[in-house]
Amino acid sequence: EADIYQTPRYLVIGTGKKITLECSQTMGHDKMYWYQQDPGMELHLIHYSYGVNSTEKGDLSSESTVSRIRTEHFPLTLESARPSHTSQYLCASNRNTEAFFGQGTRLTVV
Amino acid sequence: GQQLNQSPQSMFIQEGEDVSMNCTSSSIFNTWLWYKQEPGEGPVLLIALYKAGELTSNGRLTAQFGITRKDSFLNISASIPSDVGIYFCAGQMRPNRDDKIIFGKGTRLHILP
Repeated sequence: EADIYQTPRYLVIGTGKKITLECSQTMGHDKMYWYQQDPGMELHLIHYSYGVNSTEKGDLSSESTVSRIRTEHFPLTLESARPSHTSQYLCASNRNTEAFFGQGTRLTVV
Repeated sequence: GQQLNQSPQSMFIQEGEDVSMNCTSSSIFNTWLWYKQEPGEGPVLLIALYKAGELTSNGRLTAQFGITRKDSFLNISASIPSDVGIYFCAGQMRPNRDDKIIFGKGTRLHILP
C-alpha cells in the first residue's frame, strides 16, 4: 500500500489568494512529481524533483512553484490563485521504477 | 520530450466482454507500468513489467512487455462494472537518478448498461 498523502482533498478559494498544496510520503522515495489533471483528461507533469534541493519544471508550464527541503515533503504553492488554476493536482513519488500517487487535491478557484 | 502513444482513447463495451488496450513508443523502455484511475482518485498501480517478453497477470488483468521493448499491452477479461475508469500506461527508459516516468494519455473504459 502506498504511503503518500495529499492535503487538502478539496479546496475552494477566492481569486488572488495564496495557497499551498501539501504532499508527503513516508517511503523514503527520492523522486517526487506534481501532475495537473482536468476531469477525465490526461496527466500533465508540472513539476518534479530528484531529491532534496532539486526541483525541475515539467512538460506543462505552470504558474505554481515547488520546494523540496526534506525528502518527505514536496509542497506546491500558488502565489495568486486564478479561476484558470481550477483543476485536480496529483502528487506521486518513486525510487527507481514504480510510482505511487496520492489521492489528489481538487482545487476550485472562484 | 518522449511520448507514449496509448490507444484506444475511449472504449464502450458490454459487460462480460474482453478488453484490450496498448501503448507504443518510438524509444526503448526498460520498465512498463499500468495504472487505473477512478473518478476523484489518484491512479493506482495495477501491473509492473521489467523484462522484454514478460507476461504478468493480476486477476482478470494480463499485461505484456513487448519483445521490441517499445510497446506494452493490457487485457481485461470478462469485464465487470467496477472496471470502469481511465487506464494509463507508463514507461521508464532507465531506472536511474536522471530518468522520470512518462505517462500515456489514457484509455477511458465505459461499460454499457
